[in-house]
Amino acid sequence: AQSVAQPEDQVNVAEGNPLTVKCTYSVSGNPYLFWYVQYPNRGLQFLLKYITGDNLVKGSYGFEAEFNKSQTSFHLKKPSALVSDSALYFCAGRVYNFNKFYFGSGTKLNVKP
Amino acid sequence: NAGVTQTPKFQVLKTGQSMTLQCAQDMNHEYMSWYRQDPGMGLRLIHYSVGAGITDQGEVPNGYNVSRSTTEDFPLRLLSAAPSQTSVYFCASRTNRGSAYEQYFGPGTRLTVT
Repeated sequence: AQSVAQPEDQVNVAEGNPLTVKCTYSVSGNPYLFWYVQYPNRGLQFLLKYITGDNLVKGSYGFEAEFNKSQTSFHLKKPSALVSDSALYFCAGRVYNFNKFYFGSGTKLNVKP
Repeated sequence: NAGVTQTPKFQVLKTGQSMTLQCAQDMNHEYMSWYRQDPGMGLRLIHYSVGAGITDQGEVPNGYNVSRSTTEDFPLRLLSAAPSQTSVYFCASRTNRGSAYEQYFGPGTRLTVT
């Protein structure tokens, strides 16, 4: 079965420290993988995607993610966290030519001053 | 562009009532979808459409109907509301052209069924 998992419900990090939000996938074929961010009472905003090519992809607001095929992971990273990065983060995946996106359960990122 | 718009933002229904959640996009996107978001469960796909006149079921379609008569609109109908349908509902759209596979989301509708 196709699925995307986010093993951490919550990640706490101090401002200025690097952050990582984890995502693993079980999607057959070549996966398309995405990260979205959701601020309180708002819809989801697209951050970045991996389709093909370089395993390290860069996105909005200084975020990047590394696609690792052998570990079936697509972790979201940022070198230096900001308090304003505090939000709910979702990983999502789909298979090429299929129309269903699979979302992880979400990870709440808390960045403390 | 307004992007993806949803109405209403909030709604309270009694068990057994019916209603329609509206979704519209002005980006000429072929693909539109409805999700529900529940705590600890992420987003679950209810129904989706790959173009006008074409719809299909997602993971949790029971109790919901959709239709797609135009490219712009994709309403979600609750036939007989149940407390289990209390949730936040998001509409999303994306193009099938090029490599822009990401979805764009509306602001959501918070539905409470009592």
